[in-house]
Amino acid sequence: GENVEQHPSTLSVQEGDSAVIKCTYSDSASNYFPWYKQELGKRPQLIIDIRSNVGEKKDQRIAVTLNKTAKHFSLHITETQPEDSAVYFCAASYFGNEKLTFGTGTRLTIIP
Amino acid sequence: DGGITQSPKYLFRKEGQNVTLSCEQNLNHDAMYWYRQDPGQGLRLIYYSQIVNDFQKGDIAEGYSVSREKKESFPLTVTSAQKNPTAFYLCATRGETQYFGPGTRLLVL
Repeated sequence: GENVEQHPSTLSVQEGDSAVIKCTYSDSASNYFPWYKQELGKRPQLIIDIRSNVGEKKDQRIAVTLNKTAKHFSLHITETQPEDSAVYFCAASYFGNEKLTFGTGTRLTIIP
Repeated sequence: DGGITQSPKYLFRKEGQNVTLSCEQNLNHDAMYWYRQDPGQGLRLIYYSQIVNDFQKGDIAEGYSVSREKKESFPLTVTSAQKNPTAFYLCATRGETQYFGPGTRLLVL
């Protein structure tokens, strides 16, 4: 089955700097890659996703890049703000398999 | 996200007791999921259902049971066989994307 590895497990960034979280996946058939943000005590919220027919997707300060050849995808957050502090999870799945495989999470802390 | 409701928000279980967590959705999604999250940890899949009257075990199904009699509902029962049930339980549904419900915190008395 699919295996998703996520790095780093913790990340501290100065406010205003950029943060990058990386995930690798094992199943070359995977073609859907969402990212979730989970604030303390809350549910995971979808923040951005990408499908394998595109290499990059942006939404304001958040972007995701996908390298299908290397089987990795990354979340980029620019101009970080204190409210970006949370745990971020990546995930992967392929069409026809309704089960997402999640990474282990990255705890992002923005230092004021 | 507003289309998925979970109840109760907090649940207390006595030893040897079975308890049932409710998950209801009005998103008309076929697929529904139950995850367990321990403090500071990731998401582990308990059970999932892709269609009414059908469900599959996830990675940690032992001590849990589910039913899917209606498209809108996917209740999870934590049985007495689950010896360490204290966790945050998240229900999710999936259409084009997957959304999570607000969660139920289960505590053992």
